[in-house]
This record gives sequence, C-alpha cells and structure tokens, in this order.
Amino acid sequence: GAGVSQSPSNKVTEKGKDVELRCDPISGHTALYWYRQSLGQGLEFLIYFQGNSAPDKSGLPSDRFSAERTGGSVSTLTIQRTQQEDSAVYLCASSLVSAGQFSEAFFGQGTRLTVV
Amino acid sequence: SQQGEEDPQALSIQEGENATMNCSYKTSINNLQWYRQNSGRGLVHLILIRSNEREKHSGRLRVTLDTSKKSSSLLITASRAADTASYFCATDARGAQKLVFGQGTRLTINP
Repeated sequence: GAGVSQSPSNKVTEKGKDVELRCDPISGHTALYWYRQSLGQGLEFLIYFQGNSAPDKSGLPSDRFSAERTGGSVSTLTIQRTQQEDSAVYLCASSLVSAGQFSEAFFGQGTRLTVV
Repeated sequence: SQQGEEDPQALSIQEGENATMNCSYKTSINNLQWYRQNSGRGLVHLILIRSNEREKHSGRLRVTLDTSKKSSSLLITASRAADTASYFCATDARGAQKLVFGQGTRLTINP
C-alpha cells in the first residue's frame, strides 16, 4: 500500500472487553513501532519490532497488553480486559533500517480507543 | 526519562513571526528527526539531520544540530495559521535501536 494503514479508525468498547488493533506497515519496512498518545500528551512508546529480532516490549504498561507481528509484516496490538485508562489514540509507525541507522518513520492515522 | 525533550511545551505567536522550538537529548545519536502532528493523529516527517551535519533547510524550515550541547532547534520562518500543530523531535540514539520521541511543542499561530 501507499502508506501505513491502521484499523479500525475508531473503537468504542466496554470496560473488561478485549480489543485488537491492526497495523499494516509499508511493504519492505523492517522496523515497526506502536505508540500510545493520550489527549494533549506526547507519544508513549509501547513496543518495537525489527526484522527477526526479539521485540522490544519495554514500553508495554501491563501484562494486559501484547503485540505480535506475523511474517515480518502485519502487526496486531491486543489489549485484554480493557480499562478506562486505556482510552487513547494508538499509533503505528514503520521505517527502514540501514546499517543500523533509522530513516524517517511513517505513521498511520491511528486508532482512537474509547473504553466506556 | 525521554531521550528527547522539547522546549517550550507550548508556544503562541502571531502570523508572520518566526517560531523556534528546541530539543535536548542525553546520549550520542546517529540522527535527529523532526515531525509535525495535526489534530492528534498521525505524525508527518519534516526533516532528518545526521550527527555530522550542523544545519539543514527545507522550505521555511531550518534545523540546527549542536552535538557538543546535545541539542537541536527547529525554526519556522514567516509562520502561517496552517503551521498550528504539535512538533516532535525524535532521536536515533546509538545503542537504543529505536527512535525515541520527545513530548512535543504545541505551536499556535494567531491570525
């Protein structure tokens, strides 16, 4: 595709339900990031995938959060037993990595998650 | 704490004036990047400056990098209402193996 695609664009869920957020990165981009952004705040790093390396999960806020990246392409972020504090915009980005250096990151439009 | 920290957190100026935002970081970098975000959605890449570069231009944007002070600045000249957005710096820190974003500067251009 032409850019990073995220789905759904908006998601309203009841507290306690599980949700899955999807990210389709740009083809050929080996690096994929998930960030979270609360209203009016900065970006909170969640998880990072790079090629076949083990993902950097250091930003996941609790064990209710998990993510996978299948075949080095599509990624899914899963939040189990959602809480109201999980409400935020979840952003995915992908980029190329060359000789250990990161080129520009391309962002999707995000998924706005509202937990009621 | 964040590798990159922007200053100020918020900036409000009149249309036509220049806007300057700063970013400080803690460790050695490969490159530093600036992004813009409108309306709380996806970020858009503006400019990338490598550690061996000191200044870079793109249209009305001018970015400087001072590796001795571990800081960068983004200058927007002749600001327009459409420049109203949040601006983030991101560092490709050596050894970090990922881009690390700061908290951003909220820029408001008043007509």
